[in-house]
Amino acid sequence: EVQLLESGGGLVQPGGSLRLSCAASGFTFSSFAMSWVRQAPGKGLEWVSTIRGGGATYYADSLKGRFTISRDNSKNTLYLQMNSLGAEDTAVYYCAKDRVDWELLPFDSWGQGTLVTVSS
Amino acid sequence: EIVLTQSPATLSLSPGERATLSCRASQSVSSFLAWYQQKPGQAPRLLIYDASNRATGIPARFSGSGSGTDFTLTISSLEPEDFAVYYCQQRHIWPFTFGPGTKVDIK
Repeated sequence: EVQLLESGGGLVQPGGSLRLSCAASGFTFSSFAMSWVRQAPGKGLEWVSTIRGGGATYYADSLKGRFTISRDNSKNTLYLQMNSLGAEDTAVYYCAKDRVDWELLPFDSWGQGTLVTVSS
Repeated sequence: EIVLTQSPATLSLSPGERATLSCRASQSVSSFLAWYQQKPGQAPRLLIYDASNRATGIPARFSGSGSGTDFTLTISSLEPEDFAVYYCQQRHIWPFTFGPGTKVDIK
């Protein structure tokens, strides 16, 4: 059974940084692209970033270089380093796994999400 | 960036009725469109991928159709557990955008 467990969310001040983690199990982690998707309170889903098994990365334009996705295949863990956080980054952040290992997206497994709140 | 527009924003129906949800893309996404269902407090769930393929474990009452710029998700007969928000997402061109969602609520 695929399991994705996010951690690292919490309250951070504007301009601060946070690193999210997503521990994966139940599948061959290194073979699959992984992604972060966020959802602001009461709003829709927003794709944030994707990283292929080999390390190629993709980002939403709106992030303006503030976020960095990475992975440690030896630890079956996905990361999202978030810098220069603003109120607009307040959201539940989900990690998500691709359906198959030879294509990017869609996401067939999701974590439970971790809440990031940016506030002074 | 490809913009996805979903209509209607809200669909009020009764259990047993048929639901028809629309997703329109600002340019062609070929067949690379997925549908997700999200219930309050839960993570999204993949329903349909590549326009018309049901994901593992998804009941047959859910079906998808379309290609290019116009797509439809149909729920043939609404069950109580189907009242939720539905999102489309394209994977044809980066960035991989979502639509704003359609809420299906109980009439």
